[in-house]
Amino acid sequence: DTGVSQDPRHKITKRGQNVTFRCDPISEHNRLYWYRQTLGQGPEFLTYFQNEAQLEKSRLLSDRFSAERPKGSFSTLEIQRTEQGDSAMYLCASSLARVEQFFGPGTRLTVL
Amino acid sequence: DQQVKQNSPSLSVQEGRISILNCDYTNSMFDYFLWYKKYPAEGPTFLISISSIKDKNEDGRFTVFLNKSAKHLSLHIVPSQPGDSAVYFCAASGGRGSARQLTFGSGTQLTVLP
Repeated sequence: DTGVSQDPRHKITKRGQNVTFRCDPISEHNRLYWYRQTLGQGPEFLTYFQNEAQLEKSRLLSDRFSAERPKGSFSTLEIQRTEQGDSAMYLCASSLARVEQFFGPGTRLTVL
Repeated sequence: DQQVKQNSPSLSVQEGRISILNCDYTNSMFDYFLWYKKYPAEGPTFLISISSIKDKNEDGRFTVFLNKSAKHLSLHIVPSQPGDSAVYFCAASGGRGSARQLTFGSGTQLTVLP
């Protein structure tokens, strides 16, 4: 399967804990995006990488959120000191310098 | 403020008939529009896109129409099949130099009745 993969698919954590999600994009895609989706809404853009450079991060929801793409391949999204309002689906997408983005299955986060 | 709006949360259509899903936008800088389909517990799947320099794009059973003056686009599915039942998202992409992030509407749940 050469699609976008995300791990884990589900994460349940207690308020105040840190969580990290991983995204593996389609191998030749140089652009990688993170989105968040809450119930009844469309995905909301968080951050964007071109190769290893994070070119847009102003939409990250707070300074508790950070993302990396250390070698221009996989990416991680970390949320520190989780809050109940962080409960959502976190989606990763990749593209190859085109408008169309291809999404992974998402990581569903539940903060208790 | 919602820059991309899908005002119909749900739509039911009989199998074999046409499904028409609508989307409105407010930002004139958007130059590309896309439709995605989403099944439960899966990520959005790309369906079809259209550049702002065109007014129609067709791919099999799916056709997207763009009316720039009205800032409105629509997705037509003909004929509709039960497997088309899903949530459909309209998305827009910004102008030159942008990160090309997508701005999504809130989605329309399409149900195709057998």
